[in-house]
Amino acid sequence: AQSVTQLGSHVSVSEGALVLLRCNYSSSVPPYLFWYVQYPNQGLQLLLKYTSAATLVKGINGFEAEFKKSETSFHLTKPSAHMSDAAEYFCAVMGGSNYKLTFGKGTLLTVNP
Amino acid sequence: DAGITQSPRHKVTETGTPVTLRCHQTENHRYMYWYRQDPGHGLRLIHYSYGVKDTDKGEVSDGYSVSRSKTEDFLLTLESATSSQTSVYFCAISAGTDTDTQYFGPGTRLTVL
Repeated sequence: AQSVTQLGSHVSVSEGALVLLRCNYSSSVPPYLFWYVQYPNQGLQLLLKYTSAATLVKGINGFEAEFKKSETSFHLTKPSAHMSDAAEYFCAVMGGSNYKLTFGKGTLLTVNP
Repeated sequence: DAGITQSPRHKVTETGTPVTLRCHQTENHRYMYWYRQDPGHGLRLIHYSYGVKDTDKGEVSDGYSVSRSKTEDFLLTLESATSSQTSVYFCAISAGTDTDTQYFGPGTRLTVL
């Protein structure tokens, strides 16, 4: 069975500061991992995904994530936060039959001016 | 835009009434999923479909049923709505490979009074 833990339901940073959103996973099979972003009153949009091609994955809007098997982690980072990054971020793991996703509970990112 | 629409986008109903939510896709993808999103819970899978007339339960399927009579439409029915089913419902689609992305619709906000 797969599971995802996102550490910190709410992260607050200043504009221009480093963004670090943490995700740890548990999977009985080699995992495929995803980060999605949700802006207010919208659906989920894919930021990036790890599919075993490279451990450092670059996504949209300057975000990237590094897959660390030894730590079972897939943390999301961005060097410099923008006000437009304020949103909720979800980490998800795919595994098992029928390509189902298991989501973490989400992290709300607030960016302060 | 992944070619997914959901209807209605908002609905208010009363306890005990039946409700049907529709997900429509134009991508001809094989897999379709229904999730609910609740604060503090992230997204949880209700039901999914891996082909016409092929459906299966997710982790929170009690009180819900689904039908898929054609590739493009996936219906979610609450047979007798309860206040605990007040939520935002998202449909997702994927082509069905290990590396494939699930694309999400805009969501339906359902309130059960």
